[in-house]
Amino acid sequence: DSGVTQTPKHLITATGQRVTLRCSPRSGDLSVYWYQQSLDQGLQFLIQYYNGEERAKGNILERFSAQQFPDLHSELNLSSLELGDSALYFCASRGSNEQFFGPGTRLTVL
Amino acid sequence: EDQVTQSPEALRLQEGESSSLNCSYTVSGLRGLFWYRQDPGKGPEFLFTLYSAGEEKEKERLKATLTKKESFLHITAPKPEDSATYLCAVRINNAGNMLTFGGGTRLMVKP
Repeated sequence: DSGVTQTPKHLITATGQRVTLRCSPRSGDLSVYWYQQSLDQGLQFLIQYYNGEERAKGNILERFSAQQFPDLHSELNLSSLELGDSALYFCASRGSNEQFFGPGTRLTVL
Repeated sequence: EDQVTQSPEALRLQEGESSSLNCSYTVSGLRGLFWYRQDPGKGPEFLFTLYSAGEEKEKERLKATLTKKESFLHITAPKPEDSATYLCAVRINNAGNMLTFGGGTRLMVKP
């Protein structure tokens, strides 16, 4: 158990819908990273927050957004969903150097 | 462009048959190379961090090494429970602290 929690474990939704994924970092960690893992693209960095502020962006679509709240939990919002958004979404939090990953949310868009 | 390439994509071993997985990288300003283990449908589990050429880290049957262009994950006398996908990732100077991952090596150890 990494200490990073994510909810829900599974999400099944339809094209065009909007969903919210939630992540709580390890106790004491200020950074949260979001990654997407699909079969054809591997594990790809989306966005990073540090203590409530956006720090870095990767190949995140404009339909996707995220935020980090004062209690340090983070939410990833995915809107106007397409079939190709089906993937595993992971968040990670960083201690001194290493990133520790949560169990992931499996999103299926039908 | 920064690149991380892992080989082979898949590897089948008999229990007890030692082997090595490769992670080659082309990056500007390496700030750390990381190895993770991932079981199907689960989140990556941190294994090792290496920072400079010549560095080695060991944990049970696993040993990670680093050169200026690549890293190896050596698996000695593997057991079926070592079956998983092994991912390497790099953190570079101008990318904040995000990780760039290779495609992974899917390891299957047969009894």
